[in-house]
Amino acid sequence: EAGVVQSPRYKIIEKKQPVAFWCNPISGHNTLYWYRQNLGQGPELLIRYENEEAVDDSQLPKDRFSAERLKGVDSTLKIQPAELGDSAVYLCASSRPGEANYGYTFGSGTRLTVV
Amino acid sequence: QKEVEQNSGPLSVPEGAIASLNCTYSDRGSQSFFWYRQYSGKSPELIMSIYSNGDKEDGRFTAQLNKASQYVSLLIRDSQPSDSATYLCALAGAGNMLTFGGGTRLMVKP
Repeated sequence: EAGVVQSPRYKIIEKKQPVAFWCNPISGHNTLYWYRQNLGQGPELLIRYENEEAVDDSQLPKDRFSAERLKGVDSTLKIQPAELGDSAVYLCASSRPGEANYGYTFGSGTRLTVV
Repeated sequence: QKEVEQNSGPLSVPEGAIASLNCTYSDRGSQSFFWYRQYSGKSPELIMSIYSNGDKEDGRFTAQLNKASQYVSLLIRDSQPSDSATYLCALAGAGNMLTFGGGTRLMVKP
């Protein structure tokens, strides 16, 4: 079974530029999560999708962040414009509905550096 | 107060010793708890889950849960240099998602 696939692995951009991250979840996993991990901290949830619907986006800074999950499979997270404080690792994870109680698997993450 | 608290460390133990990692949480309704290991520059990897009070053993790892006192711990027996990593405690709460602590950095010295 292929794991959660994310791209790119690394991204360096200048502040005020846009950036996008892509995530392909494990086949059959209807729930998809985007987390952000700042250096020296644990991951923090940005948004959770159940199929195509964003059911928890309370931690997503909506003035500059947006996300979509077309057809309930792949997802894209976008930042526009990026700020220096957005430098972090962006992690994607997926699970079957209700299976967060069994833990879930993360993708390799995208390390974003804003200069 | 954060929902999940961990000492950031670093916790330094000699090779072959027992490493003890602790985590406290505030949500009494939490039922599922996890330990993730994260090597530098890598994503978190699930290593243990525990759902009932008491101990759960898996190889060199033992997870302990005490819901009355709201703490979870991870013991690593016969610690190896390859165990050097950050260990993240997480719990499953409402909304089918995991909440993570800040992690404890473990250093196992040869």
